[in-house]
Amino acid sequence: KQEVTQIPAALSVPEGENLVLNCSFTDSAIYNLQWFRQDPGKGLTSLLLIQSSQREQTSGRLNASLDKSSGRSTLYIAASQPGDSATYLCAILRDQGAQKLVFGQGTRLTINP
Amino acid sequence: NAGVTQTPKFQVLKTGQSMTLQCAQDMNHEYMSWYRQDPGMGLRLIHYSVGAGITDQGEVPNGYNVSRSTTEDFPLRLLSAAPSQTSVYFCASSRFSIDRTREQYFGPGTRLTVT
Repeated sequence: KQEVTQIPAALSVPEGENLVLNCSFTDSAIYNLQWFRQDPGKGLTSLLLIQSSQREQTSGRLNASLDKSSGRSTLYIAASQPGDSATYLCAILRDQGAQKLVFGQGTRLTINP
Repeated sequence: NAGVTQTPKFQVLKTGQSMTLQCAQDMNHEYMSWYRQDPGMGLRLIHYSVGAGITDQGEVPNGYNVSRSTTEDFPLRLLSAAPSQTSVYFCASSRFSIDRTREQYFGPGTRLTVT
């Protein structure tokens, strides 16, 4: 069974710092990996999607990497801002046909002004 | 496009009552699914559909029914609500036929409390 782990569960850093969020998965046979952001009481917003054949994706200050062989993905946030405070979730899509996402528990990020 | 919409935003039910959570998408996505989010458990798949008339069970289907009569709508029915169904429910959709990335889009959620 595919398991997805995100460490740490919570992270607090001062504004302006660069930071890395981690996601690990047990089965390297994945179709894609998607990073989401969730604000308190809100839905999930897709940030970045990396297909299994890709190594990284970038959007603005965000960069996500994927290493299937080691079962790891990282989300790098540059020059963090208070508005980046949210919970960040990673999710694995193992089978393109079944379309079943397996989620990690998330990392709750707080950026202190 | 409105994307994925869900109604209601909040709902309180008494044990044993029934209700339907609505989900609609206007992106012509074939694939739709329902997840529940609970503290310490993350998001778990309840039911999913790969097209109109086709549904299947996910990881936690007990106590829930679904049907898919149109491409746009995928309602989730609670037949007899139980306190264990207190949760936040999210609907998601993705394009099956054209978008090979299989990126999934989520609705804003329905927060359900069963007393």
